[in-house]
Amino acid sequence: EAGVAQSPRYKIIEKRQSVAFWCNPISGHATLYWYQQILGQGPKLLIQFQNNGVVDDSQLPKDRFSAERLKGVDSTLKIQPAKLEDSAVYLCASSLEGRATGELFFGEGSRLTVL
Amino acid sequence: DAKTTQPNSMESNEEEPVHLPCNHSTISGTDYIHWYRQLPSQGPEYVIHGLTSNVNNRMASLAIAEDRKSSTLILHRATLRDAAVYYCILRDYMEYGNKLVFGAGTILRVKS
Repeated sequence: EAGVAQSPRYKIIEKRQSVAFWCNPISGHATLYWYQQILGQGPKLLIQFQNNGVVDDSQLPKDRFSAERLKGVDSTLKIQPAKLEDSAVYLCASSLEGRATGELFFGEGSRLTVL
Repeated sequence: DAKTTQPNSMESNEEEPVHLPCNHSTISGTDYIHWYRQLPSQGPEYVIHGLTSNVNNRMASLAIAEDRKSSTLILHRATLRDAAVYYCILRDYMEYGNKLVFGAGTILRVKS
């Protein structure tokens, strides 16, 4: 079974530039999550989708971050404009559904460096 | 979100059992206890979860205190590949979305 695919794996940009990350979840998984992980910290949930609807985006800095999940499958996370503090690994995860017993499957992440 | 408390780091010898503690004194009756681990340069991976009873799977065992205010993840024979950050997380099945909120976790070092 193919896992969660993310791209690009690495991205280096200047502050105030924009960047986009792409995620392809495991086939059939209804729930998709984007997490931000700053070095030395645990992952922080940015946004959670159920199919193509947003379940929770309370931690998403909406002035600069946006995310969409078209047709309930792939998802894109965009940052515009980027700040130095956005340097982090962006992790995408999916689960069959959003139950509390459901296992989350994570991708390898996209590492962003903002200079 | 209910909070968990874990030691910052622990060390173990290879092929010995490891007991990773987690305190969750404010746990509610609708919280599942989940454990994930994160190997270097990888995304987190699921280890085990439970509600009230002890649980076993191929990776580990989860021992849950009778009052559910603490739990212990048990790796029966640590290997070098078990060196990772281990996260103990409470997940409320009554909460819409049942989101998974990570803390800082415990860094497990395994010595050969």
